[in-house]
Amino acid sequence: DQQVKQNSPSLSVQEGRISILNCDYTNSMFDYFLWYKKYPAEGPTFLISISSIKDKNEDGRFTVFLNKSAKHLSLHIVPSQPGDSAVYFCAASATPGNQFYFGTGTSLTVIP
Amino acid sequence: NAGVMQNPRHLVRRRGQEARLRCSPMKGHSHVYWYRQLPEEGLKFMVYLQKENIIDESGMPKERFSAEFPKEGPSILRIQQVVRGDSAAYFCASSPGLEEPQHFGDGTRLSIL
Repeated sequence: DQQVKQNSPSLSVQEGRISILNCDYTNSMFDYFLWYKKYPAEGPTFLISISSIKDKNEDGRFTVFLNKSAKHLSLHIVPSQPGDSAVYFCAASATPGNQFYFGTGTSLTVIP
Repeated sequence: NAGVMQNPRHLVRRRGQEARLRCSPMKGHSHVYWYRQLPEEGLKFMVYLQKENIIDESGMPKERFSAEFPKEGPSILRIQQVVRGDSAAYFCASSPGLEEPQHFGDGTRLSIL
């Protein structure tokens, strides 16, 4: 029962263009969402979060958008850089409880 | 400013042996979480602990698996009588409190022969 879904296992983007990674969830109780970036043989690194009271959060080149009615969030990276090549996971939780449900990840390749 | 430390990074066990995975949270973090990642899958929550207490173990198998976070020392994930299906990457994360991002260690890769 995958409550958080990332339907695109992989994505390739040219350097300098926008990368858009998508995530869908099924549990309407989720109200806190995060994106993590993961390199091989390392743990996930926190990138950016958003709570359900907002529909957008921006941090430098990274912007997360939340559409609660569609139960959809997306991560925009612009401009994309080769160092952004990694696996990106979205995660969601319903507070209190703080158990995070992770998607299966999208592997982003930024082509120089 | 050490991050979440996990050891060992790689652990090889034969079927039937015990595996002990250790996690030292970031300084100031009292919340610890364990996740398992099977090949080609995302991270699956296993257990959430605060000092000396298990808060949520809904993701942990009922048999053979146990976790603790003692008052002193690291959090331990213990797997008894390991089987081939236990082969996975086990990640530990910590946070300073609820509604805070979790910071992950680099994981322990467990291989069962």
